[in-house]
Amino acid sequence: GESVGLHLPTLSVQEGDNSIINCAYSNSASDYFIWYKQESGKGPQFIIDIRSNMDKRQGQRVTVLLNKTVKHLSLQIAATQPGDSAVYFCAEKPPGGATNKLIFGTGTLLAVQP
Amino acid sequence: NAGVTQTPKFRVLKTGQSMTLLCAQDMNHEYMYWYRQDPGMGLRLIHYSVGEGTTAKGEVPDGYNVSRLKKQNFLLGLESAAPSQTSVYFCASSVAVGETQYFGPGTRLLVL
Repeated sequence: GESVGLHLPTLSVQEGDNSIINCAYSNSASDYFIWYKQESGKGPQFIIDIRSNMDKRQGQRVTVLLNKTVKHLSLQIAATQPGDSAVYFCAEKPPGGATNKLIFGTGTLLAVQP
Repeated sequence: NAGVTQTPKFRVLKTGQSMTLLCAQDMNHEYMYWYRQDPGMGLRLIHYSVGEGTTAKGEVPDGYNVSRLKKQNFLLGLESAAPSQTSVYFCASSVAVGETQYFGPGTRLLVL
């Protein structure tokens, strides 16, 4: 889920387990969504995206699910590895305009235990 | 391709000093952005550009200026640094509206 205050919510999982990271987005008319991974001291790295005309999209070891009814986005990581430890945050693109502005969530810290 | 690069990686300024952060992208993207990232907050847009020679204000533009003289470069300037501008600054670019934004590695700025 999204963070409140200065402390990020943390998801702790065992190596090899599946991880599910959730995001509640703000605008019911947003038409494009992105998941980013940010490792400590690095810039956000694109993982996977989905457009509003889809409810599921799969990549390599990752799946994004979109539930427009409740404005919810989730990222599923299969067989989580230590290298997956990072902050994950979602971004949404509200409709219209030519500016491509995104609204970013504050993120969830994924901690993978060996 | 190097993607999006930023210089410098880290800088310490005294209050009132000025500096320029440089962002470069080699993907021929039209759109470029400057964000700041602070603890407990999502990325906040400072300024952005929809093409060479254009700039526009984002969510938190005060105290910053930008220029996009060349398509591949986007400069962020601080004319008179303040401690409130201590942050990590990220540059990003995208090929078009509705496409993903790709980020640089960030510049860590400390204003004393």
